[in-house]
Amino acid sequence: GAGVSQSPSNKVTEKGKDVELRCDPISGHTALYWYRQRLGQGLEFLIYFQGNSAPDKSGLPSDRFSAERTGESVSTLTIQRTQQEDSAVYLCASSHRSLAGGVLTKNIQYFGAGTRLSVL
Amino acid sequence: DAKTTQPPSMDCAEGRAANLPCNHSTISGNEYVYWYRQIHSQGPQYIIHGLKNNETNEMASLIITEDRKSSTLILPHATLRDTAVYYCIVRLNYGQNFVFGPGTRLSVLP
Repeated sequence: GAGVSQSPSNKVTEKGKDVELRCDPISGHTALYWYRQRLGQGLEFLIYFQGNSAPDKSGLPSDRFSAERTGESVSTLTIQRTQQEDSAVYLCASSHRSLAGGVLTKNIQYFGAGTRLSVL
Repeated sequence: DAKTTQPPSMDCAEGRAANLPCNHSTISGNEYVYWYRQIHSQGPQYIIHGLKNNETNEMASLIITEDRKSSTLILPHATLRDTAVYYCIVRLNYGQNFVFGPGTRLSVLP
């Protein structure tokens, strides 16, 4: 597709269950980002991938959260033993770096529509 | 990344220009100014970015002051569909995540 695709768009789960959220980035984008947005609040950075590696996992809130990326493409964010405070919209973004004369001129992140997670 | 300050909310009449200010007094020389917006229930959408020169694209214009301590995003003819939260972000171009503040909630009124 032309944009970042996330699935499912909505997920309702019971407290204590595990959930997997999927992100398909724009084809050719080497960088992929996960953010969390609680109701009425700003975006909270979770994790960043460059290729299949995650050099920055600093935003993951606990060891219940993990993410992986394969084939420099699709990424999965897994939340184990979900808690009610995990309820939020989880947003994925991808970016492609543009160089001109060796200078990074553009590093725009393009966002998906998000997955709305509700933990009952 | 440097921090930004934006008014929490603004109103604009439909068809008029919307001018959204942003202060970034601690911006460093190689940090860019990016603007995104988030329409209700959607992911953030890139609008425009710049370093020190004014920029214009099909969506908006970005005016950066000479000292780069502030900028203004201009939507020349606001429509009802421009109602959204607008985020001003300063960051290095090779930085990783974006740090989103609370933004400005723009309401375009009929």
